[in-house]
Amino acid sequence: GQNIDQPTEMTATEGAIVQINCTYQTSGFNGLFWYQQHAGEAPTFLSYNVLDGLEEKGRFSSFLSRSKGYSYLLLKELQMKDSASYLCAVRDRNDYKLSFGAGTTVTVRA
Amino acid sequence: NAGVMQNPRHLVRRRGQEARLRCSPMKGHSHVYWYRQLPEEGLKFMVYLQKENIIDESGMPKERFSAEFPKEGPSILRIQQVVRGDSAAYFCASSPPGKSGDEQYFGPGTRLTVT
Repeated sequence: GQNIDQPTEMTATEGAIVQINCTYQTSGFNGLFWYQQHAGEAPTFLSYNVLDGLEEKGRFSSFLSRSKGYSYLLLKELQMKDSASYLCAVRDRNDYKLSFGAGTTVTVRA
Repeated sequence: NAGVMQNPRHLVRRRGQEARLRCSPMKGHSHVYWYRQLPEEGLKFMVYLQKENIIDESGMPKERFSAEFPKEGPSILRIQQVVRGDSAAYFCASSPPGKSGDEQYFGPGTRLTVT
């Protein structure tokens, strides 16, 4: 099975940077995903890491260390619209099933 | 290209009734996944289907829940004799054939309320 932990809530100021950590303990690993979910809406894909290192996509970056069972999502130049829940998900070795953390609610304040 | 479609978006059922949730995957996608999200909790995997086949239903309760993905038409998640604990958001996701996909595309969800 999978055990995925991430902080429940984070608050930051518009224009600032926030880092959301995710730790996982898995019986198998085949990739880590970050999704953004606004209240009442579908999760939308942000990033995917399968190898160690940093993946950068505009204002969002994601990092993975497989040996440490650790990932983070970095949000730069925060905007009010970034207020949402951020979900860390691990895909198991069978290559399809995603196991999600409970999500981190990020609140961006003016 | 339309995304993953789910209907209804909101469904209210009384205890003991049946709930039918529908999911139409993205065009060209033949892998469908159902997840349940309880209030204040993360998404939990329920079942993975390909056309006419259930690949993995390890996350689905053994009783009252069933899923299908027929050759024609949408995937259906069926909950019989609903109870209050079934109240949740049910999300469907799809991914392309051949490769189970680096990315699963999620639908808008069906919010089931059992009264």
